[in-house]
Amino acid sequence: DSGVTQTPKHLITATGQRVTLRCSPRSGDLSVYWYQQSLDQGLQFLIQYYNGEERAKGNILERFSAQQFPDLHSELNLSSLELGDSALYFCASSPGGTASSYEQYFGPGTRLTVT
Amino acid sequence: GESVGLHLPTLSVQEGDNSIINCAYSNSASDYFIWYKQESGKGPQFIIDIRSNMDKRQGQRVTVLLNKTVKHLSLQIAATQPGDSAVYFCAEKKNYQLIWGAGTKLIIKP
Repeated sequence: DSGVTQTPKHLITATGQRVTLRCSPRSGDLSVYWYQQSLDQGLQFLIQYYNGEERAKGNILERFSAQQFPDLHSELNLSSLELGDSALYFCASSPGGTASSYEQYFGPGTRLTVT
Repeated sequence: GESVGLHLPTLSVQEGDNSIINCAYSNSASDYFIWYKQESGKGPQFIIDIRSNMDKRQGQRVTVLLNKTVKHLSLQIAATQPGDSAVYFCAEKKNYQLIWGAGTKLIIKP
């Protein structure tokens, strides 16, 4: 158990809908990362937050947004969903800062299915 | 562009043999290279890292080799066990991000 929690574990929704994925980082970790993993593919970095502020942005679509709250939990919002958005969405956390950002602790993921 | 990629998408190894998973990278401006293991149905898990000024680092049953001349990274697993079955990702740390490779699936033959 990495100490990172994600909810929900599974999510099935229809095209055009909006969903929110939630992540709680390990206790004390300030950085949260979001990744998308399509079937049998690698990890696509979406976005990183550090202590409430956006730190880095990857290939995140404009339909997607995220935020990190004062209690350090994070939410990833996916809107106007398309079939191609079906994937595993992982959250990871790290203590924070560039020195520690390579050792990331991953949650179990949320499997999103768009029908 | 910048990328970290793997030579082989699938590797089958006899139980008890050593496994070697390879990774090529194209961007030299990083200070760490890292290996992660992702078991089926789980998130990736950190295995081992190597700083860019090193060429070898050993862990428990794993060794990472870095050849900066040819921009090549490898993960060696000694005495491969069924529990080693997973997808292995190499990643390169650049600034605040990890740049991930495509992954190699390691299959253990009994």
